[in-house]
Amino acid sequence: KAGVTQTPRYLIKTRGQQVTLSCSPISGHRSVSWYQQTPGQGLQFLFEYFSETQRNKGNFPGRFSGRQFSNSRSEMNVSTLELGDSALYLCASSLGLGTADEQYFGPGTRLTVT
Amino acid sequence: AQSVSQHNHHVILSEAASLELGCNYSYGGTVNLFWYVQYPGQHLQLLLKYFSGDPLVKGIKGFEAEFIKSKFSFNLRKPSVQWSDTAEYFCAIGHNNFNKFYFGSGTKLNVKP
Repeated sequence: KAGVTQTPRYLIKTRGQQVTLSCSPISGHRSVSWYQQTPGQGLQFLFEYFSETQRNKGNFPGRFSGRQFSNSRSEMNVSTLELGDSALYLCASSLGLGTADEQYFGPGTRLTVT
Repeated sequence: AQSVSQHNHHVILSEAASLELGCNYSYGGTVNLFWYVQYPGQHLQLLLKYFSGDPLVKGIKGFEAEFIKSKFSFNLRKPSVQWSDTAEYFCAIGHNNFNKFYFGSGTKLNVKP
């Protein structure tokens, strides 16, 4: 079974631009979560989607948004990029909602904002 | 607010040394507890998890963790580390009421051969 895939793997953007990241979950998984990983901060929860609906949201500004499609694939969008948005963005999929299901992580998209 | 604390940010050990990484969380309700590992250049992967029952849980690669409810702790241990254990380790709690995961800031383990 293929793992979680994320595209692109690396991105370099300029302040003020916007970016869209994509995540394809493991086949059969319906929940997709997004995290921002920065050195010293660990993983910060962005949001979770299940059956095309956002079920949970972390403490990030409205510039961060996402969506999920009927095939469970998910996209994350960041508008008006700031230098502080430079990070590794991780996507994780799980079978269902709830914290009892193991999360499977993708390799991440490394975003650099200059 | 819920939080997960990993007090050791960087640990350096020699091979065969024993390992204990601390993890404390601040929440009094029901949580599920996890340790994840990120080897250099690889994805985050689950080491072990605790939901209920025996507070001593065993995971992959000889790792184990003990849940001490009174101390809100879930420390990770390994009796004898190997060079291949060099990685970053993350503690996480799954908050049942809010269906959210909270991760610690991670501990980088460097095992010297």
